[in-house]
Amino acid sequence: DAKTTQPTSMDCAEGRAANLPCNHSTISGNEYVYWYRQIHSQGPQYIIHGLKNNETNEMASLIITEDRKSSTLILPHATLRDTAVYYCIVRVVGGTSYGKLTFGQGTILTVHP
Amino acid sequence: KAGVTQTPRYLIKTRGQQVTLSCSPISGHRSVSWYQQTPGQGLQFLFEYFSETQRNKGNFPGRFSGRQFSNSRSEMNVSTLELGDSALYLCASSLRGRTGANVLTFGAGSRLTVL
Repeated sequence: DAKTTQPTSMDCAEGRAANLPCNHSTISGNEYVYWYRQIHSQGPQYIIHGLKNNETNEMASLIITEDRKSSTLILPHATLRDTAVYYCIVRVVGGTSYGKLTFGQGTILTVHP
Repeated sequence: KAGVTQTPRYLIKTRGQQVTLSCSPISGHRSVSWYQQTPGQGLQFLFEYFSETQRNKGNFPGRFSGRQFSNSRSEMNVSTLELGDSALYLCASSLRGRTGANVLTFGAGSRLTVL
């Protein structure tokens, strides 16, 4: 799986959009970008994933650059409950590594009142 | 539907003992993966089971083992516990489909303290 680089920490005001960047310059053509988050002392939670098109769901939007070397997770209206560690992961879908995710250090997002 | 259930949630053991942790996946999910999370090493993949067979294994010593039953429930065992085994152990289940994304759903974890 390709390596990812994320900022160690970020702050965001409640109600504002939180934009979390991720660099994955060595991503290959068959690798997807996934985002998970982990709220303190809980298991990681899936947020969103994409291959090359922008994606949106009820939780967030994922913007992937045209060259696919970086992406941004957008939480449109951050709340205090969005304070968590956010992990950007790139991985091949299918193959033999279904259940294996390689987690980096992630970005600690702190949402302030 | 019910999520991934892990038991026990908390346990304390002493060095040299062994421990067994249990994971019940989401109904219909046949793949179960295990992860260890420590402050120093972060989240690390232990192993994955599918249809009662280990499919992937991370870089952990042989003291760490697991199995999966015919109903997809899984257990992991750590023998001869060391202080460094103190961690949050997370289980995740997925459909392990041939196409499309394979999203993992994690349980709340079992927090092991080794004294």
